[in-house]
Amino acid sequence: NAGVMQNPRHLVRRRGQEARLRCSPVKGHSHVYWYRQLPEEGLKFMVYLQKENIIDESGMPKERFSAEFPKEGPSILRIQQVVRGDSAAYFCASSPQDRRFGYTFGSGTRLTVV
Amino acid sequence: GENVEQHPSTLSVQEGDSAVIKCTYSDSASNYFPWYKQELGKGPQLIIDIRSNVGEKKDQRIAVTLNKTAKHFSLHITETQPEDSAVYFCAASKGNQGGKLIFGQGTELSVKP
Repeated sequence: NAGVMQNPRHLVRRRGQEARLRCSPVKGHSHVYWYRQLPEEGLKFMVYLQKENIIDESGMPKERFSAEFPKEGPSILRIQQVVRGDSAAYFCASSPQDRRFGYTFGSGTRLTVV
Repeated sequence: GENVEQHPSTLSVQEGDSAVIKCTYSDSASNYFPWYKQELGKGPQLIIDIRSNVGEKKDQRIAVTLNKTAKHFSLHITETQPEDSAVYFCAASKGNQGGKLIFGQGTELSVKP
């Protein structure tokens, strides 16, 4: 009965490299959400996905960021050509289709860009 | 745009006292209001939530109240314990946006033994 699994827990990248963050939702959950948390701030919505579909990406930066949730496998948040301002904690959450029981968050991936 | 304001940003109470955290939302179409507890180095954990057709909800030492007219909702923790120390976030969403949550800025609660 695993919760939302995110890996890696910590990721260090040099400026200009690519970062790939993975999220496996709770078994049976069909909705995945990605949020970003900057130090000392609340969580900011980035993107909402269902299997093979991006439903709402209104919080995603226009460039360098992309997300997918394939039919098989985890959801991936990809950041190309990382910059220092991308350093943050990235949280994934999942919910069942009817969302009556709210979100379950993972423990996050802490990205540090050096 | 959508906005959720949360106060206070820090709150210190003595063990056994009550703690109250307040949030105000801007979008009158919001209809779901969860509260999350985040401990250091961990992800947010849902502790209680309320929907707009309910004015109050209670779960043991935790209660949430909602005033739709004033567009604000509050978290009440009674008989606080040191393990309640954490950062608490309120959030709001509209059902037709598929569950996207707008979070408040967070309240760091410290319960002193």
